[in-house]
Amino acid sequence: AQTVTQSQPEMSVQEAETVTLSCTYDTSENNYYLFWYKQPPSRQMILVIRQEAYKQQNATENRFSVNFQKAAKSFSLKISDSQLGDTAMYFCAFMKHTTGANSKLTFGKGITLSVRP
Amino acid sequence: DTAVSQTPKYLVTQMGNDKSIKCEQNLGHDTMYWYKQDSKKFLKIMFSYNNKELIINETVPNRFSPKSPDKAHLNLHINSLELGDSAVYFCASSYGHSQQIGQYFGPGTRLTVL
Repeated sequence: AQTVTQSQPEMSVQEAETVTLSCTYDTSENNYYLFWYKQPPSRQMILVIRQEAYKQQNATENRFSVNFQKAAKSFSLKISDSQLGDTAMYFCAFMKHTTGANSKLTFGKGITLSVRP
Repeated sequence: DTAVSQTPKYLVTQMGNDKSIKCEQNLGHDTMYWYKQDSKKFLKIMFSYNNKELIINETVPNRFSPKSPDKAHLNLHINSLELGDSAVYFCASSYGHSQQIGQYFGPGTRLTVL
């Protein structure tokens, strides 16, 4: 079974600064996918960024980037130039690669990020 | 325009009642899911369907019965509601054979059992 650990329950950052959210996972799989989801106070789950385990290059989406360390089973999210709208809960999630349609997301407990004006 | 929609968004009911939550997606995905988010915000999969066929049933009490009339719809019926069923229920969808793209979530249904 896979587990995802987000050990920091909450973080705070000044607007316009950079913050890094940590995530580690445990798996015996070699082929898998990792995701970060954002859940603002509106409750909507929003996909922020994705990473395929077989790709060495770290994924980037505008101000969001990841530091994927496969050997260390670490998948941190860096948010640059933080904005007030980044205030939300952030979930790290793991998905094992399957040949069929029986994929499921295993989530960490989430981290609450507050961006201060 | 809404990609994954759920109705209702809020549901307040008494213990012992039966209720349903509906989900629809217009993304052309073939796989749909139900996740439960508890009071501590922990998210866990309940079910998945691919082209109307049940794929994942994650040890959920059989008071919960999903139904998929077609690949764009996945409903969740809950019998004999209990206090512990209070949670936010999310529907999600994806392409079963393009999992790397990720799953797209609906707005959630907050169920409160009194």
